[in-house]
Amino acid sequence: DAGVIQSPRHEVTEMGQEVTLRCKPISGHDYLFWYRQTMMRGLELLIYFNNNVPIDDSGMPEDRFSAKMPNASFSTLKIQPSEPRDSAVYFCASSPGASGFTDTQYFGPGTRLTVL
Amino acid sequence: DQQVKQNSPSLSVQEGRISILNCDYTNSMFDYFLWYKKYPAEGPTFLISISSIKDKNEDGRFTVFLNKSAKHLSLHIVPSQPGDSAVYFCAASEDAGGTSYGKLTFGQGTILTVHP
Repeated sequence: DAGVIQSPRHEVTEMGQEVTLRCKPISGHDYLFWYRQTMMRGLELLIYFNNNVPIDDSGMPEDRFSAKMPNASFSTLKIQPSEPRDSAVYFCASSPGASGFTDTQYFGPGTRLTVL
Repeated sequence: DQQVKQNSPSLSVQEGRISILNCDYTNSMFDYFLWYKKYPAEGPTFLISISSIKDKNEDGRFTVFLNKSAKHLSLHIVPSQPGDSAVYFCAASEDAGGTSYGKLTFGQGTILTVHP
């Protein structure tokens, strides 16, 4: 398997613009996670899905952030409108879900977002 | 509030010596602890884990120690190698019960540099 695929790898945009980040999880994995990494707070969980259904979005910082998973092989994280403080690396991860809370999560390479 | 804290942003060690990375947590409900390793421009990868019923887990050069009373865990790397230079994230999860999935809470990360 190719692993978790994220696109784009880098995104530079201007404040106020809409940004869409994309993720393809590992085939057969039931769980998908979106994380944000910043220097101050490390890796923060934004939202996660089980079988395409959002389970917990308590980490989504504001209404400007939204995530969807229309099918088992694709998810998007959208920021509209974007702000400079959204600049961070966004990671997508997936896990099989077979072992419950001890499951290993597999991360994609991340999208580095810069909002000017 | 940060439930998982890595108070040392960076650590520098000579090749062949021991590297000790530390992590503290505040949530007494955490049952499972993990270390992830991250190279630049890549996503984090799972390194080693430990369940709360144990106080030590070993995998080759890597050993994780858990002190539940102190709410502290540490990762020991012996001997350290230049290829170990990376960011190390500590993470924790709790059994949310039944078929619920435990979220991973990450620390801020520690940059380890191993000098030849």
